[in-house]
Amino acid sequence: GDSVTQMEGPVTLSEEAFLTINCTYTATGYPSLFWYVQYPGEGLQLLLKATKADDKGSNKGFEATYRKETTSFHLEKGSVQVSDSAVYFCARIRSNDYKLSFGAGTTVTVRA
Amino acid sequence: EAGVTQFPSHSVIEKGQTVTLRCDPISGHDNLYWYRRVMGKEIKFLLHFVKESKQDESGMPNNRFLAERTGGTYSTLKVQPAELEDSGVYFCASSQRTGSGDTQYFGPGTRLTVL
Repeated sequence: GDSVTQMEGPVTLSEEAFLTINCTYTATGYPSLFWYVQYPGEGLQLLLKATKADDKGSNKGFEATYRKETTSFHLEKGSVQVSDSAVYFCARIRSNDYKLSFGAGTTVTVRA
Repeated sequence: EAGVTQFPSHSVIEKGQTVTLRCDPISGHDNLYWYRRVMGKEIKFLLHFVKESKQDESGMPNNRFLAERTGGTYSTLKVQPAELEDSGVYFCASSQRTGSGDTQYFGPGTRLTVL
């Protein structure tokens, strides 16, 4: 089946630290890959996406590269801010499909 | 442009009671989805509407859950009777088209607590 595994949290960092959240996916169905973010009190927002192998998604200083050889889509940011505190979800969707499959979410807290 | 809205934001009910959740998608979005996150686990797909038609309700847990989208605008998700394991956050999303290339826009969710 379609599944996504992401690193468990919670993750606590200091401002300006480097953030990595690992995500791996099952390779069935040529998926597109996503990172969604949920800030406190808000809905899920699309952070970035990649639709094929070697694509790099980027937004707000975050990056993730679609790695087919390792079935991974790790999220990185070089210097986090307090405002990056949120829950981050990795997700996949098969081509020509509409059902998103999500990981369990990783809670990130950035301290000043 | 207004985003996806959901009502209520929180609901606390007793086991056996009925609760109805509402979702208003982005105007002009034919596709509407319901998802659920239980106990801090994965967010899981419940069902998908295209306009007023249910395209896929394979994720609905059981027949205590009933979703409707009359007129192809807003949608309701009714749980009757609610059980303890129904507690979680219910998300609604909408998209303009169907397909992996089209972004699904999510609402803030309704947190349901069944006591």
